[in-house]
Amino acid sequence: ETGVTQTPRHLVMGMTNKKSLKCEQHLGHNAMYWYKQSAKKPLELMFVYNFKEQTENNSVPSRFSPECPNSSHLFLHLHTLQPEDSALYLCASSQDNAWDTEAFFGQGTRLTVV
Amino acid sequence: QKEVEQNSGPLSVPEGAIASLNCTYSDRVSQSFFWYRQYSGKSPELIMSIYSNGDKEDGRFTAQLNKASQYVSLLIRDSQPSDSATYLCAVKLSSARQLTFGSGTQLTVLP
Repeated sequence: ETGVTQTPRHLVMGMTNKKSLKCEQHLGHNAMYWYKQSAKKPLELMFVYNFKEQTENNSVPSRFSPECPNSSHLFLHLHTLQPEDSALYLCASSQDNAWDTEAFFGQGTRLTVV
Repeated sequence: QKEVEQNSGPLSVPEGAIASLNCTYSDRVSQSFFWYRQYSGKSPELIMSIYSNGDKEDGRFTAQLNKASQYVSLLIRDSQPSDSATYLCAVKLSSARQLTFGSGTQLTVLP
């Protein structure tokens, strides 16, 4: 248990569905991240929030929409996804964006788009 | 050139041996380096961070950093079958304040 909780753990959705991934951290951190991990590829940074403000959007398609209502919660809203979006989606948090802070990951959501 | 490079493996070592995992990075002025362990189907787990040249030891793990050679390594002493996992090298590049990951090295420790 790292103090970062993601729900759901597994999700199967059709290409026309709308779903949301949730991340909650209990570490008192101020920065939160969404990463995508596809098979045989490095972890890809998607979005960064620092003190609730989005500071990075790594050229992510608009069918992925993040939301950060407070420093403890992060959502990833999904709509009209494609099969190639199937992957492990990981949330992480860190104290802040400083160069020496460590990031801790949640358990991930395994997403399958059918 | 990839920003963070690791040999994908698989790397196999016998139980009790030293496993050596290597990582190179392209950004000369990077300051922060991290090793994560990821078991199959699980999320990455932070093992060690290192910021200064030299060695940093934590139990059976030793991280080594050589900024002049843009090289960071992880040594696992007395390897155990439970160490079998993918090891991810992550770097905070000077151009960004978040982690850039290598593709990982798959380690298998044979009983």
